[in-house]
Amino acid sequence: AQSVTQLDSQVPVFEEAPVELRCNYSSSVSVYLFWYVQYPNQGLQLLLKYLSGSTLVKGINGFEAEFNKSQTSFHLRKPSVHISDTAEYFCAVIRTGGGNKLTFGTGTQLKVEL
Amino acid sequence: EPEVTQTPSHQVTQMGQEVILRCVPISNHLYFYWYRQILGQKVEFLVSFYNNEISEKSEIFDDQFSVERPDGSNFTLKIRSTKLEDSAMYFCASRSQGPGDTQYFGPGTRLTVL
Repeated sequence: AQSVTQLDSQVPVFEEAPVELRCNYSSSVSVYLFWYVQYPNQGLQLLLKYLSGSTLVKGINGFEAEFNKSQTSFHLRKPSVHISDTAEYFCAVIRTGGGNKLTFGTGTQLKVEL
Repeated sequence: EPEVTQTPSHQVTQMGQEVILRCVPISNHLYFYWYRQILGQKVEFLVSFYNNEISEKSEIFDDQFSVERPDGSNFTLKIRSTKLEDSAMYFCASRSQGPGDTQYFGPGTRLTVL
Protein backbone atom coordinates (compact mmCIF):
# COMPACT_ATOMS: atom_id res chain seq x y z
CA ALA A 1 0.00 0.00 0.00
CA GLN A 2 1.03 3.59 -0.51
CA SER A 3 0.78 6.53 1.84
CA VAL A 4 1.44 10.25 1.44
CA THR A 5 2.38 12.69 4.15
CA GLN A 6 2.05 16.42 3.79
CA LEU A 7 3.73 17.77 6.86
CA ASP A 8 2.26 21.27 6.77
CA SER A 9 -1.49 21.68 7.02
CA GLN A 10 -1.24 25.43 6.50
CA VAL A 11 1.43 27.64 5.00
CA PRO A 12 1.02 31.41 5.20
CA VAL A 13 3.27 33.44 2.94
CA PHE A 14 3.49 37.00 1.71
CA GLU A 15 2.93 37.82 -1.91
CA GLU A 16 6.06 37.63 -4.08
CA ALA A 17 7.84 35.46 -1.51
CA PRO A 18 9.03 31.96 -2.37
CA VAL A 19 7.19 28.94 -1.04
CA GLU A 20 7.84 25.23 -0.61
CA LEU A 21 5.10 22.72 0.16
CA ARG A 22 6.44 19.45 1.44
CA CYS A 23 5.36 15.97 0.42
CA ASN A 24 6.79 12.63 1.48
CA TYR A 25 5.53 9.25 0.40
CA SER A 26 5.89 5.66 1.40
CA SER A 27 5.57 2.75 -1.00
CA SER A 28 7.06 -0.71 -1.42
CA VAL A 29 6.70 -0.40 -5.20
CA SER A 30 7.57 2.35 -7.63
CA VAL A 31 5.07 5.16 -7.98
CA TYR A 32 4.21 8.11 -10.14
CA LEU A 33 3.75 11.38 -8.27
CA PHE A 34 1.29 14.21 -8.75
CA TRP A 35 0.44 17.60 -7.33
CA TYR A 36 -3.13 18.82 -7.61
CA VAL A 37 -4.54 22.21 -6.64
CA GLN A 38 -8.05 22.87 -5.38
CA TYR A 39 -9.28 26.44 -5.51
CA PRO A 40 -12.18 27.34 -3.22
CA ASN A 41 -15.39 25.60 -4.23
CA GLN A 42 -13.78 23.97 -7.23
CA GLY A 43 -12.54 20.52 -8.23
CA LEU A 44 -8.99 19.26 -8.38
CA GLN A 45 -6.71 20.51 -11.12
CA LEU A 46 -3.39 18.93 -12.04
CA LEU A 47 -0.38 21.16 -11.40
CA LEU A 48 2.34 18.75 -12.44
CA LYS A 49 3.41 15.13 -12.35
CA TYR A 50 6.55 13.04 -12.25
CA LEU A 51 6.66 9.88 -14.32
CA SER A 52 10.34 9.38 -15.13
CA GLY A 53 13.43 11.18 -16.40
CA SER A 54 14.55 14.52 -15.04
CA THR A 55 13.75 14.77 -11.38
CA LEU A 56 12.80 18.44 -11.69
CA VAL A 57 9.40 18.84 -13.24
CA LYS A 58 7.72 22.07 -14.19
CA GLY A 59 4.01 22.61 -14.08
CA ILE A 60 1.40 25.25 -14.63
CA ASN A 61 1.31 28.65 -12.98
CA GLY A 62 5.08 28.73 -12.39
CA PHE A 63 5.16 25.78 -10.01
CA GLU A 64 7.85 23.14 -10.05
CA ALA A 65 8.62 20.05 -8.00
CA GLU A 66 11.65 17.89 -7.43
CA PHE A 67 11.52 14.13 -7.04
CA ASN A 68 14.03 12.77 -4.55
CA LYS A 69 13.97 9.00 -4.52
CA SER A 70 16.39 8.55 -1.63
CA GLN A 71 14.34 10.83 0.59
CA THR A 72 11.02 9.67 -0.91
CA SER A 73 10.00 13.27 -1.32
CA PHE A 74 8.30 15.35 -3.96
CA HIS A 75 8.29 18.93 -2.68
CA LEU A 76 6.46 21.66 -4.57
CA ARG A 77 8.03 25.08 -5.02
CA LYS A 78 7.30 28.45 -6.49
CA PRO A 79 9.86 31.25 -6.49
CA SER A 80 7.32 34.07 -6.18
CA VAL A 81 3.71 33.52 -5.17
CA HIS A 82 0.69 35.56 -6.08
CA ILE A 83 -2.55 36.18 -4.22
CA SER A 84 -4.28 33.95 -6.78
CA ASP A 85 -2.18 30.98 -5.61
CA THR A 86 -4.24 30.83 -2.42
CA ALA A 87 -5.69 27.32 -2.53
CA GLU A 88 -5.37 23.81 -1.15
CA TYR A 89 -2.58 21.71 -2.60
CA PHE A 90 -2.66 17.92 -2.63
CA CYS A 91 0.20 15.54 -3.26
CA ALA A 92 -0.79 12.13 -4.63
CA VAL A 93 0.81 8.89 -5.80
CA ILE A 94 -0.18 5.93 -7.93
CA ARG A 95 1.57 2.60 -8.51
CA THR A 96 3.44 2.52 -11.81
CA GLY A 97 2.60 -1.07 -12.58
CA GLY A 98 -1.13 -1.47 -13.01
CA GLY A 99 -1.87 1.35 -10.63
CA ASN A 100 -5.46 2.43 -10.57
CA LYS A 101 -6.31 4.69 -7.69
CA LEU A 102 -4.63 7.86 -6.55
CA THR A 103 -3.62 7.99 -2.90
CA PHE A 104 -3.73 11.54 -1.61
CA GLY A 105 -2.06 13.37 1.23
CA THR A 106 -4.09 15.42 3.66
CA GLY A 107 -3.43 18.64 1.77
CA THR A 108 -1.67 21.91 2.50
CA GLN A 109 -3.62 25.15 2.62
CA LEU A 110 -1.50 27.88 1.05
CA LYS A 111 -2.59 31.34 2.10
CA VAL A 112 -0.92 34.22 0.29
CA GLU A 113 -1.13 37.55 2.07
CA LEU A 114 -0.42 41.08 0.90
CA GLU B 1 -10.27 21.71 -23.41
CA PRO B 2 -12.45 18.69 -22.58
CA GLU B 3 -13.63 18.49 -19.00
CA VAL B 4 -15.45 16.22 -16.61
CA THR B 5 -18.86 17.52 -15.63
CA GLN B 6 -20.99 16.58 -12.63
CA THR B 7 -24.59 17.14 -11.64
CA PRO B 8 -26.02 18.31 -9.38
CA SER B 9 -23.51 20.66 -7.80
CA HIS B 10 -25.29 20.34 -4.46
CA GLN B 11 -27.69 17.67 -3.25
CA VAL B 12 -29.54 17.75 0.04
CA THR B 13 -31.31 14.58 1.15
CA GLN B 14 -32.88 13.00 4.19
CA MET B 15 -31.19 10.10 5.92
CA GLY B 16 -32.30 6.81 4.45
CA GLN B 17 -33.11 8.24 1.03
CA GLU B 18 -31.48 7.12 -2.20
CA VAL B 19 -29.35 9.54 -4.19
CA ILE B 20 -27.81 9.33 -7.62
CA LEU B 21 -24.85 11.47 -8.49
CA ARG B 22 -24.14 11.96 -12.16
CA CYS B 23 -20.96 12.48 -14.10
CA VAL B 24 -20.02 12.88 -17.73
CA PRO B 25 -16.37 11.82 -18.14
CA ILE B 26 -14.14 13.00 -20.94
CA SER B 27 -15.37 11.27 -24.06
CA ASN B 28 -12.36 9.18 -25.11
CA HIS B 29 -11.35 8.15 -21.62
CA LEU B 30 -11.51 4.53 -20.55
CA TYR B 31 -11.15 4.60 -16.77
CA PHE B 32 -13.68 6.21 -14.47
CA TYR B 33 -13.49 6.95 -10.77
CA TRP B 34 -15.40 8.21 -7.80
CA TYR B 35 -13.58 9.85 -4.91
CA ARG B 36 -14.98 11.64 -1.90
CA GLN B 37 -13.75 14.33 0.43
CA ILE B 38 -15.34 14.73 3.83
CA LEU B 39 -15.09 18.33 4.97
CA GLY B 40 -11.60 19.11 6.18
CA GLN B 41 -10.24 15.69 5.30
CA LYS B 42 -8.27 14.25 2.44
CA VAL B 43 -9.60 13.01 -0.85
CA GLU B 44 -10.38 9.28 -0.63
CA PHE B 45 -10.76 6.72 -3.39
CA LEU B 46 -14.12 4.99 -3.57
CA VAL B 47 -14.27 2.98 -6.78
CA SER B 48 -12.85 2.60 -10.25
CA PHE B 49 -14.63 1.37 -13.34
CA TYR B 50 -13.18 -0.02 -16.53
CA ASN B 51 -14.60 -2.02 -19.41
CA ASN B 52 -18.09 -1.87 -17.91
CA GLU B 53 -17.20 -3.30 -14.57
CA ILE B 54 -15.73 -2.31 -11.23
CA SER B 55 -11.97 -2.76 -11.36
CA GLU B 56 -11.24 -1.78 -7.77
CA LYS B 57 -13.13 -0.53 -4.74
CA SER B 58 -12.24 0.67 -1.29
CA GLU B 59 -13.55 -0.49 2.07
CA ILE B 60 -15.83 2.55 2.07
CA PHE B 61 -17.63 1.28 -1.03
CA ASP B 62 -19.98 -1.16 0.67
CA ASP B 63 -23.28 -2.64 -0.49
CA GLN B 64 -25.00 0.72 -0.13
CA PHE B 65 -22.99 2.04 -3.06
CA SER B 66 -23.21 1.13 -6.71
CA VAL B 67 -21.93 2.54 -9.97
CA GLU B 68 -23.23 2.35 -13.46
CA ARG B 69 -22.43 3.51 -16.95
CA PRO B 70 -25.91 3.42 -18.41
CA ASP B 71 -24.93 4.75 -21.81
CA GLY B 72 -21.83 5.83 -23.67
CA SER B 73 -21.45 9.09 -21.82
CA ASN B 74 -22.82 9.05 -18.28
CA PHE B 75 -21.28 7.51 -15.17
CA THR B 76 -23.36 7.42 -12.00
CA LEU B 77 -22.85 6.76 -8.32
CA LYS B 78 -25.89 5.57 -6.37
CA ILE B 79 -26.15 5.52 -2.62
CA ARG B 80 -29.13 3.35 -1.70
CA SER B 81 -29.85 4.47 1.83
CA THR B 82 -27.89 7.53 2.83
CA LYS B 83 -26.37 7.99 6.26
CA LEU B 84 -25.27 11.16 7.98
CA GLU B 85 -21.64 10.15 7.48
CA ASP B 86 -22.12 10.07 3.71
CA SER B 87 -22.15 13.86 3.75
CA ALA B 88 -19.15 14.83 1.67
CA MET B 89 -17.98 16.24 -1.63
CA TYR B 90 -18.03 13.53 -4.28
CA PHE B 91 -15.65 13.86 -7.19
CA CYS B 92 -15.84 12.00 -10.46
CA ALA B 93 -12.63 11.53 -12.43
CA SER B 94 -11.58 9.93 -15.67
CA ARG B 95 -8.34 9.03 -17.35
CA SER B 96 -7.32 7.88 -20.76
CA GLN B 97 -4.95 4.95 -20.47
CA GLY B 98 -2.26 3.91 -18.01
CA PRO B 99 -1.45 4.96 -14.45
CA GLY B 100 0.81 7.76 -15.63
CA ASP B 101 -2.00 9.46 -17.45
CA THR B 102 -3.65 12.32 -15.67
CA GLN B 103 -6.88 11.74 -13.83
CA TYR B 104 -9.13 14.65 -14.66
CA PHE B 105 -11.53 15.62 -11.92
CA GLY B 106 -14.97 17.13 -12.15
CA PRO B 107 -16.06 20.06 -9.99
CA GLY B 108 -17.76 17.78 -7.47
CA THR B 109 -21.20 17.26 -5.97
CA ARG B 110 -21.65 18.37 -2.40
CA LEU B 111 -23.94 15.85 -0.72
CA THR B 112 -25.60 16.89 2.52
CA VAL B 113 -27.50 14.23 4.44
CA LEU B 114 -29.87 15.55 7.09
